[in-house]
Amino acid sequence: DAGVIQSPRHEVTEMGQEVTLRCKPISGHNSLFWYRQTMMRGLELLIYFNNNVPIDDSGMPEDRFSAKMPNASFSTLKIQPSEPRDSAVYFCASSLWQSPNTGELFFGEGSRLTVL
Amino acid sequence: EDQVTQSPEALRLQEGESSSLNCSYTVSGLRGLFWYRQDPGKGPEFLFTLYSAGEEKEKERLKATLTKKESFLHITAPKPEDSATYLCAVPNAGNMLTFGGGTRLMVKP
Repeated sequence: DAGVIQSPRHEVTEMGQEVTLRCKPISGHNSLFWYRQTMMRGLELLIYFNNNVPIDDSGMPEDRFSAKMPNASFSTLKIQPSEPRDSAVYFCASSLWQSPNTGELFFGEGSRLTVL
Repeated sequence: EDQVTQSPEALRLQEGESSSLNCSYTVSGLRGLFWYRQDPGKGPEFLFTLYSAGEEKEKERLKATLTKKESFLHITAPKPEDSATYLCAVPNAGNMLTFGGGTRLMVKP
């Protein structure tokens, strides 16, 4: 199994530029999560999709952030325009939603974003 | 509001020196507590799920326990390869995981 695949692994950009992060979840998983990790705030949930539908985006910091999941095998997180405070590691995770929730999320290796 | 607090933030151990990591939580109706391990430059990796007070789970040198207010991750005779950040998490009302700040464990040979 290839696991959750994220790209790019590293991105350095200048303030004001558009950034697009990509994620391919594990085949067969029906839930997808975008997290952001910083030293100050730890691991924060940004948005969660179930069966390609956004369920909760209350963690998205502001309108500059948007996420899409056009199909079961692809999701994007876009920041436009980017700001230095957006610098962080962005993780995508997927899971097979079960009841009760087992809590087992499968994380990608992350995309490290640096905004200058 | 659900809260998860981990302590200590960092822990240095000598190889073979056993210790425990703490995860305190305040949630309305616990629906499970989860432990993850994160290596530098990697995403978190799932370790354990605990559902009820008194439950214990073991994996190699790790044992996780759960009470009504906190969970402990006991590390017995750790090795350098156990060095990592250990995260605990609880699901909120919407079943989305809220993570603690983590404990960075360093085991010296």
